[in-house]
Amino acid sequence: QVQLVESGGNVVQPGTSLRLSCVASGFSFTTHGMHWVRQAPGKGLEWVALISYDGRNKYHADSVKGRFTISRDNAKNTLYLQMISLRSEDTAVYYCAKDNSIGWPHCENWGQGTLVTVSS
Amino acid sequence: SYVLTQPPSVSVAPGQTARITCGGNNIGRKSVHWYQQKPGQAPILVVYDNGDRPSGIPERFSGSNSGNTATLTISRVEAGDEADYYCQVWDDYSDHVVFGGGTKLTVL
Repeated sequence: QVQLVESGGNVVQPGTSLRLSCVASGFSFTTHGMHWVRQAPGKGLEWVALISYDGRNKYHADSVKGRFTISRDNAKNTLYLQMISLRSEDTAVYYCAKDNSIGWPHCENWGQGTLVTVSS
Repeated sequence: SYVLTQPPSVSVAPGQTARITCGGNNIGRKSVHWYQQKPGQAPILVVYDNGDRPSGIPERFSGSNSGNTATLTISRVEAGDEADYYCQVWDDYSDHVVFGGGTKLTVL
């Protein structure tokens, strides 16, 4: 079955950097786009970024553009989110999700999430 | 940017039908997806492409989409359906995924 395991969440100070990882298994990673979606404490879902199956096309939410970068290593079945210049408002649980890759983008399967806390 | 509007809360008695709306400009022209999230858990997809169900999702969950409103309908509501529900579309003008603000379903 599809498994998505996020890691890398931590407590960090404002202005610092962090890289999240998501290891995928149970499906053909190389044929599916992948998303990062976050959820601030007590708030709703916020889409962060999407990367195509081959890594050529990347899309980022306006709130993170220029600070966050989505990438992937298909040889390692791993998705990444590089985050720089972190702010308190980036505090959230970050989920990776598998795109259906047929039709319009949506999140077919989700990981359990990793918590990022940005605080001084 | 494209905006999706959901009611903050919906309440329904067990066995009744719950309808959760998602409003957006000409949303009927888009493909709408719905997620269920229970407290402390990751979201799961319950309806995709307006009205299709992933395997394992009960037939009680259905969706429709027309004009400026998409609707998630849950028939014969059970206590276990109590959760937050989010609608989602792809905005092809901005190339962004857009989520609605979420609706908390309470089973009375």
